[in-house]
Amino acid sequence: GAVVSQHPSRVICKSGTSVKIECRSLDFQATTMFWYRQFPKQSLMLMATSNEGSKATYEQGVEKDKFLINHASLTLSTLTVTSAHPEDSSFYICSASGTGSFTLHFGNGTRLTVT
Amino acid sequence: QQQVKQSPQSLIVQKGGISIINCAYENTAFDYFPWYQQFPGKGPALLIAIRPDVSEKKEGRFTISFNKSAKQFSLHIMDSQPGDSATYFCAASMRNSGYALNFGKGTSLLVTP
Repeated sequence: GAVVSQHPSRVICKSGTSVKIECRSLDFQATTMFWYRQFPKQSLMLMATSNEGSKATYEQGVEKDKFLINHASLTLSTLTVTSAHPEDSSFYICSASGTGSFTLHFGNGTRLTVT
Repeated sequence: QQQVKQSPQSLIVQKGGISIINCAYENTAFDYFPWYQQFPGKGPALLIAIRPDVSEKKEGRFTISFNKSAKQFSLHIMDSQPGDSATYFCAASMRNSGYALNFGKGTSLLVTP
């Protein structure tokens, strides 16, 4: 149980274009989803907290207009990287917790490469 | 600001040995301490977790030891196997932040045959 699916697993895009990443909780309802970013051989850094039906809360230093988060349903959150640049190339990972749960389950990540 | 400090950065253990990874935190509001295992190109997978009201938790070959007064916790992997070679992250979270995880910097574990 508690499966989080993330799509796509890899994406390559040209500089200036936008990319959307989907995160789905497959077998539970996730009132809260979190988006993390991970650079090679580094730790996971929290980008934003996404609550169903409300605006996302962004961590300090994360541009909300660049990283658009939508949590439209209890099983789906999306992260859109707008006007991507090479420095946005990274591993983006979503995680979700069920209602009333403090256990986070992670997706398998999306490797974004901006050329 | 790293809220959870993890050591060592890398660790090499012989097959059958014990792997020990340590973490420390400052914020006493943290009330949930999980350990995650991550293989290259994959998302982290929950290994084991502990709340501060217990000092030890064991699941199979994995044990968390928790010292509330010292604000430290550690992961012990008994009878380490080559398949355990991965990066391990400790983390801490609290109710006030919706249990968003604050991760340590990670430990790269290599178990040699």
